[in-house]
Amino acid sequence: DAGITQSPRHKVTETGTPVTLRCHQTENHRYMYWYRQDPGHGLRLIHYSYGVKDTDKGEVSDGYSVSRSKTEDFLLTLESATSSQTSVYFCAISESGMGEKLFFGSGTQLSVL
Amino acid sequence: QKEVEQNSGPLSVPEGAIASLNCTYSDRVSQSFFWYRQYSGKSPELIMSIYSNGDKEDGRFTAQLNKASQYVSLLIRDSQPSDSATYLCAVNGRGETGANNLFFGTGTRLTVIP
Repeated sequence: DAGITQSPRHKVTETGTPVTLRCHQTENHRYMYWYRQDPGHGLRLIHYSYGVKDTDKGEVSDGYSVSRSKTEDFLLTLESATSSQTSVYFCAISESGMGEKLFFGSGTQLSVL
Repeated sequence: QKEVEQNSGPLSVPEGAIASLNCTYSDRVSQSFFWYRQYSGKSPELIMSIYSNGDKEDGRFTAQLNKASQYVSLLIRDSQPSDSATYLCAVNGRGETGANNLFFGTGTRLTVIP
């Protein structure tokens, strides 16, 4: 998966608890992204980063925050998880910029009960 | 919200046949188009990119783009059971925040019957 590691691979949590998902890349790519994938919706962009400490919102950012303190790490935090955030979360990276080729990590299956 | 439409399938073809997957998009200024393959329970894998009108071939895969009709397709020749997967179409465009993003269709599930 193009030198991208996501952790954890699976997580079950309860409504109202905070959750942090981690993405680690070894490709030294500038751009990193968090997507969620849900049946009937396809992949939707949550947040993205275009450099260390440079992040911005995607199309479905409500309830999520991100941080990027190092080139290789991009964290996604659900401040207070809700059942609607049950999904598969994919981290992706790109070298050449927004709207270009993406390479995905192996995903995190998150269940919020 | 930019729209990328795909027939969800399932599309079933016999082994050795040509599989044809189609995608339409709503943003006339889109310039970059991608096809991803996703096996069940796995992450999307980039298989083709196309930027200009016409055909682009890579092995058994051919991507076709028609910007005037806002249509992009993927042909898989000599289909193999290992091609059975969901194929995602992705198109670039300006999102609500103004950034240039990739927008994905919901995918077409392909089954190749031995």
